Amino acid sequence: EPEVTQTPSHQVTQMGQEVILRCVPISNHLYFYWYRQILGQKVEFLVSFYNNEISEKSEIFDDQFSVERPDGSNFTLKIRSTKLEDSAMYFCASNFVSGSEQFFGPGTRLTVL
Amino acid sequence: QKEVEQNSGPLSVPEGAIASLNCTYSDRGSQSFFWYRQYSGKSPELIMFIYSNGDKEDGRFTAQLNKASQYVSLLIRDSQPSDSATYLCAVRKDTGNQFYFGTGTSLTVIP
Repeated sequence: EPEVTQTPSHQVTQMGQEVILRCVPISNHLYFYWYRQILGQKVEFLVSFYNNEISEKSEIFDDQFSVERPDGSNFTLKIRSTKLEDSAMYFCASNFVSGSEQFFGPGTRLTVL
Repeated sequence: QKEVEQNSGPLSVPEGAIASLNCTYSDRGSQSFFWYRQYSGKSPELIMFIYSNGDKEDGRFTAQLNKASQYVSLLIRDSQPSDSATYLCAVRKDTGNQFYFGTGTSLTVIP
């Protein structure tokens, strides 16, 4: 069964450093998303991406964040200068049809020291 | 006002019983409703979705939607210890693709 994959599973970085989180969505899906979940809190939307551009973003997704689909399979989230409060699980998700069920990857745990 | 509200629990039921999980949402124009299961340290896993008022059954799971009351629920019949997890309610509004998640209800099924 096709699934969303994410790498790395755990990333530790120093405050102020740049990180890139990688995702491979399900191959025939057209819509891609990043969510985050701070420990003990709810899953929060960051950004959605369709047709090689951002279609929606939340207030969390400020200038420190960017997304890219560098090739036909990968979808990346870059955080330019990490802060302590960026420590969270980051989930990539995808779906084929707008508004349909989203399938989540296993997540990347980001720890900012 | 929160977009999606769930009772955080914990909810404990004995094995074999029916577990009932509830969710309310604030945007009357919301179109699509999803239940995800999340084990500790893992990602959300889709259980089922519902778009229309009424009940939708899938195996041991039944989702119920009442748009007039802005209420969606999940019933788990014949609960098993493996059902012990946090259940997340997610809602998509009438515009956009983002899902709004509740904080989740922690369910423990006692053998």
